[in-house]
Amino acid sequence: GQQVMQIPQYQHVQEGEDFTTYCNSSTTLSNIQWYKQRPGGHPVFLIQLVKSGEVKKQKRLTFQFGEAKKNSSLHITATQTTDVGTYFCAGVTTDSWGKLQFGAGTQVVVTP
Amino acid sequence: GAVVSQHPSRVICKSGTSVKIECRSLDFQATTMFWYRQFPKQSLMLMATSNEGSKATYEQGVEKDKFLINHASLTLSTLTVTSAHPEDSSFYICSASRGGSMTEAFFGQGTRLTVV
Repeated sequence: GQQVMQIPQYQHVQEGEDFTTYCNSSTTLSNIQWYKQRPGGHPVFLIQLVKSGEVKKQKRLTFQFGEAKKNSSLHITATQTTDVGTYFCAGVTTDSWGKLQFGAGTQVVVTP
Repeated sequence: GAVVSQHPSRVICKSGTSVKIECRSLDFQATTMFWYRQFPKQSLMLMATSNEGSKATYEQGVEKDKFLINHASLTLSTLTVTSAHPEDSSFYICSASRGGSMTEAFFGQGTRLTVV
């Protein structure tokens, strides 16, 4: 079955530094989504990527979708303490009836 | 954005009792809702797909008689954990999407279930 792998599972960042989390699917995706879950909270939708090679930016966050539509990345520049949380990618395939296949998540800890 | 409300946010119940969790889409109709379970520091595990007006579709390994799902209207799905045991203690989250090509999910606040 479809699998979505995400690395790293844990990221310790100094405030002001950049970091990237990577997502890789075993199958071609129709779209990939990114969510952020703060400690004790629920996942919140960040963005959806649909097109091959798509790049989208949200302030300090840059999302990329690979040319083959099987991998994606989230890059955060100049990390702030508000970036703390777990970032999940979630893939959708054309035959998944809208079901999201979540990656393991990258837990981000930011030190001042 | 769309709002999904989940209730209760926390519940403690005795072993052997049943607990009902509600998931409501407040400002849109959701023909499909999803129920997840999340263990500490782990990802979301899809339990079942709740379909309005029909039976839920359960993922492999999820006991349908244990986790009863009812999707009686376009804005409400319920998950009932029957005869709960301590191993059922977990964080349960529902999500809904607007449907069609809009597959982004809007999550409820989650329910922290503790079975004692």
